[in-house]
Amino acid sequence: ETGVTQSPTHLIKTRGQQVTLRCSSQSGHNTVSWYQQALGQGPQFIFQYYREEENGRGNFPPRFSGLQFPNYSSELNVNALELDDSALYLCASGGTAEGSYTFGSGTRLTVV
Amino acid sequence: EDQVTQSPEALRLQEGESSSLNCSYTVSGLRGLFWYRQDPGKGPEFLFTLYSAGEEKEKERLKATLTKKESFLHITAPKPEDSATYLCAVQARTGTASKLTFGTGTRLQVTL
Repeated sequence: ETGVTQSPTHLIKTRGQQVTLRCSSQSGHNTVSWYQQALGQGPQFIFQYYREEENGRGNFPPRFSGLQFPNYSSELNVNALELDDSALYLCASGGTAEGSYTFGSGTRLTVV
Repeated sequence: EDQVTQSPEALRLQEGESSSLNCSYTVSGLRGLFWYRQDPGKGPEFLFTLYSAGEEKEKERLKATLTKKESFLHITAPKPEDSATYLCAVQARTGTASKLTFGTGTRLQVTL
């Protein structure tokens, strides 16, 4: 059990629609990061939230946005979905004593 | 820009046949190098963090080593349950604190 829970596990959306993905991270970890993993690729950093504010972003357009809540849960919102947005979206909770980052099992998004 | 290159892309071993996976990296000051294991359709599972050249860490049949330019994941006498994709990632000292830059992974298959 990872301590990071993501929902839903699978999702199918139509091009142009909007989607919200959710993540519940371990209590006490006030840093959460989101990654996009296309098939056969490594995860790519989307952005990081620290104490409810975005404080780092990768090479993703503004239609990718997020929120972090006081209870350590987080959301990833994607507007105007494109076919290339089809991927596994991973949430990671950071900062353990080992310096590791714990990932959830991800949400598989398919855009048709 | 931080970069991670993993080789080989895929590796097939017989049970008990030891081998090594390579991770070459360039980063603007290394904060940490991470190894993760990922099973199909799942999120990455943390294995090791290495911080400085010369450091080694072991866990069961796995041993990770680090130099200034690359890291190796040695697998001794692998078993079929070791079959997975192994991901390497780097974290830089500067920039977004929890951003990990991943390679594309090595897909390992261990057969009887």
